[in-house]
Amino acid sequence: KAGVTQTPRYLIKTRGQQVTLSCSPISGHRSVSWYQQTPGQGLQFLFEYFSETQRNKGNFPGRFSGRQFSNSRSEMNVSTLELGDSALYLCASSLDSVSETGELFFGEGSRLTVL
Amino acid sequence: QKEVEQDPGPLSVPEGAIVSLNCTYSNSAFQYFMWYRQYSRKGPELLMYTYSSGNKEDGRFTAQVDKSSKYISLFIRDSQPSDSATYLCAMSVGGAQKLVFGQGTRLTINP
Repeated sequence: KAGVTQTPRYLIKTRGQQVTLSCSPISGHRSVSWYQQTPGQGLQFLFEYFSETQRNKGNFPGRFSGRQFSNSRSEMNVSTLELGDSALYLCASSLDSVSETGELFFGEGSRLTVL
Repeated sequence: QKEVEQDPGPLSVPEGAIVSLNCTYSNSAFQYFMWYRQYSRKGPELLMYTYSSGNKEDGRFTAQVDKSSKYISLFIRDSQPSDSATYLCAMSVGGAQKLVFGQGTRLTINP
């Protein structure tokens, strides 16, 4: 069974640009969550989608947005990039976020560098 | 103050030692407690999961939750060099929904 796939793995952008990251969840998983990981703040929740609807949102500005498609694949977008957006962006999938196992399956992440 | 506090280390111990990793938290609504392990250049993977208070054992790993003290622990017995990784505690109010992570503790097991 294929794991969570994130593309691209690495990318470099300049301030003011926008970026779109893609995530393909494990087959059959309907919940997709996005997390930002930085050395200073650690892993922080961005948002979660289930059946194409955003169910939860973290404390990030509106420049961070996402969506989920009917096949459960998800994208996140960051507009007007700032230096502080440099981070590893992790996508995670689960059968359903209210599953009691608490298990998220993470991808290897997309490492974004903003210059 | 962060909702979940975890000493980032680094922590270095000899092979075979017992390792103790800890987190404290402030939100009494947390009911789900997890430990994830993250190897370099990889995404985190679930190691242990506990609902509410109590202990849970899985092989060399034991997770403890003390809700009265808002304190969780992970013990690793007979530690191996392959256990070298960053260990992240995580908590949530509802299952896998909106996890709140600790900073992560970088652990090195020396042969």
